[in-house]
Amino acid sequence: DIVMTQSPDSLAVSLGERATIYCKSSQTVLYSSNNKNSLAWYQQKPGQPPKLLIYWASTRDSGVPDRFSGSGSGTDFTLTISSLQAEDVAVYYCQQYYSTPPWTFGQGTKVEIK
Amino acid sequence: QVQLVQSGAEVKKPGASVKVSCKASGFSFTSYGVTWVRQAPGQGLEWMGWISAYNGNTNYAQKLQGRVTMTTDTSTSTAYLELRSLRSDDTAVYYCARGGPTSGSYSPYWGQGTLVTVSS
Repeated sequence: DIVMTQSPDSLAVSLGERATIYCKSSQTVLYSSNNKNSLAWYQQKPGQPPKLLIYWASTRDSGVPDRFSGSGSGTDFTLTISSLQAEDVAVYYCQQYYSTPPWTFGQGTKVEIK
Repeated sequence: QVQLVQSGAEVKKPGASVKVSCKASGFSFTSYGVTWVRQAPGQGLEWMGWISAYNGNTNYAQKLQGRVTMTTDTSTSTAYLELRSLRSDDTAVYYCARGGPTSGSYSPYWGQGTLVTVSS
């Protein structure tokens, strides 16, 4: 199984500042056939289901503000919130959906306001 | 619009079974799969398994093998999750999400979640 490891477990960022979350997979999630990374990022607020932010490692889902961006390839990925807003306080998860199941999640990163 | 509407909260005793439903609307159900994810109180997301509404294929998390069954009823566009021999550590919110028809996919649409409490 592919193990997804996020860092840090939590971070506190001032409003308007940048927040960066890392996600590392235990093996590549890059499809060489189409050069796409099978990596998604989700945001979850208390009492709500997860919300898709990013898929294919760097494609923003419809309606997601452009302050959210994803990058990386192979085994190392990053979610960046360029200018943290109050409504961005949440837990963020990466998930790989590469090849055969299980399609595992990272443990989550809690983002708070400093 | 795309919707996944799950059944209501359940309270079960240890050793019992639970069946959670997930009714889909707003898209062609048989063109996709359904992924089930659970979240224990205060914990992260745990991938439980996936079923293809396209061809009926399933894949379950190894730790749940033998206790879990995922099915679909294409006539009503509904997916079902059955979990047997419930234990206290099965207490969680269970989510369905739209998945790929034949392989892994990201999930842009999720159900609202169903709380299953296992307690004597």
